Amino acid sequence: SQKIEQNSEALNIQEGKTATLTCNYTNYSPAYLQWYRQDPGRGPVFLLLIRENEKEKRKERLKVTFDTTLKQSLFHITASQPADSATYLCALVDSSASKIIFGSGTRLSIRP
Amino acid sequence: GAVVSQHPSRVICKSGTSVKIECRSLDFQATTMFWYRQFPKQSLMLMATSNEGSKATYEQGVEKDKFLINHASLTLSTLTVTSAHPEDSSFYICSATGLAGGINEQFFGPGTRLTVL
Repeated sequence: SQKIEQNSEALNIQEGKTATLTCNYTNYSPAYLQWYRQDPGRGPVFLLLIRENEKEKRKERLKVTFDTTLKQSLFHITASQPADSATYLCALVDSSASKIIFGSGTRLSIRP
Repeated sequence: GAVVSQHPSRVICKSGTSVKIECRSLDFQATTMFWYRQFPKQSLMLMATSNEGSKATYEQGVEKDKFLINHASLTLSTLTVTSAHPEDSSFYICSATGLAGGINEQFFGPGTRLTVL
């Protein structure tokens, strides 16, 4: 069956450290993988997109990797801050490119 | 940047009543709008895809007669939950793509919290 899984339901790390979130998928061949941030009671906000032929993408303190062999994406936040505390969702665009499928999210808490 | 709004942000209704949720693209024309539902601590689940001027395409397991979607203009789509029951209580989120953007350029609304008593 098709699955998209974010391994940690919650992650709690110290301010200043690098947060690493994992997204694994099964039985998909996505052309794109996206990461979103969602705050409580709010809609998701797009952060980064990475294509299947890209290994890594960066944006300020954010870095995303995409390994199509492992069927995995890693999302890193360097020099983490309490304001980075939120739920982070990975999502992939299915092969028909007609819809986005979301993982269940990882709740990240950055403690001062 | 592109902005999508939803109205209302919160709604509480009695069981058996119908509730309409609006999704508007404020500064662009949305050829396609998507409706999602999110239960606590769960992922966003796509309910349906709607294109302006045509019938919505519903995902498997979503009752089209219960969740009525209308996309009458390029800036407005509505979701009506008919004869709502407590199990319909959820967070409903819409998103929209513009004329030039594809599936990767979805802009999400802030969501509507529906509580059915």
